[in-house]
Amino acid sequence: QLLLQESGPGLVKPSETLSLTCTVSGGSITSNNYYWAWIRQPPGKGLEWIASIYNSGTPYYSPSLRSRVTISIDTYKNQFSLKVTSVTAADTAFYYCARDIEPAARGYGYWGQGTLVTVSS
Amino acid sequence: QSALTQPRSVSGSPGQSVTISCTGTSSDFSGYNSVSWYQQQHPDKAPKLIIYDVNKRPSGVPGRFSGSKSGNTASLTISGLQADDESDYYCCSNAGSYRVFGGGTKLTVL
Repeated sequence: QLLLQESGPGLVKPSETLSLTCTVSGGSITSNNYYWAWIRQPPGKGLEWIASIYNSGTPYYSPSLRSRVTISIDTYKNQFSLKVTSVTAADTAFYYCARDIEPAARGYGYWGQGTLVTVSS
Repeated sequence: QSALTQPRSVSGSPGQSVTISCTGTSSDFSGYNSVSWYQQQHPDKAPKLIIYDVNKRPSGVPGRFSGSKSGNTASLTISGLQADDESDYYCCSNAGSYRVFGGGTKLTVL
């Protein structure tokens, strides 16, 4: 069974960089052709797609966040990561990592439990 | 890019059917297998995939949930409403190199 688990600091100061890692277990991050994604949800608000990375390492970014976001993959550790620079209170959110349900499908069938990141001094 | 447009709320009585719409631009739906739908029963819990590739259901999702798409509008229909269906529902489009979520719809079962 594929499991995804987010990890990283729960509190980040304004103007600093938010860094999160998603550890994948129960399957290889390089198997088949999957997009591994980061999605966030500010408390009480809707979902926002941030970025995804193909298992080959090709990144894709939300046009509205592209300038501040970097997604990367570590095939040796079976992990992928997210960095968001110059954070503000608006970046406070639950951050989820996710993967499509099937290689050629478009629908996130696997999600981590999410981690709350608060931006505050 | 802007979020896809969904009604803020819909409601229905047990046994009835409800349809939630999701409207975007042609660019929003330009990607392959362009729409998925998610159910989120608790705001601090991960969403659950209920429809992918426009109209496919993951294993375990009841046939009461169905999806469709016409032009730049996708729809989720829930038939035979049950109390447990009361949740927030989100659509998500595949715009090719990125994806876009809708603003979410709160379904109330009366």
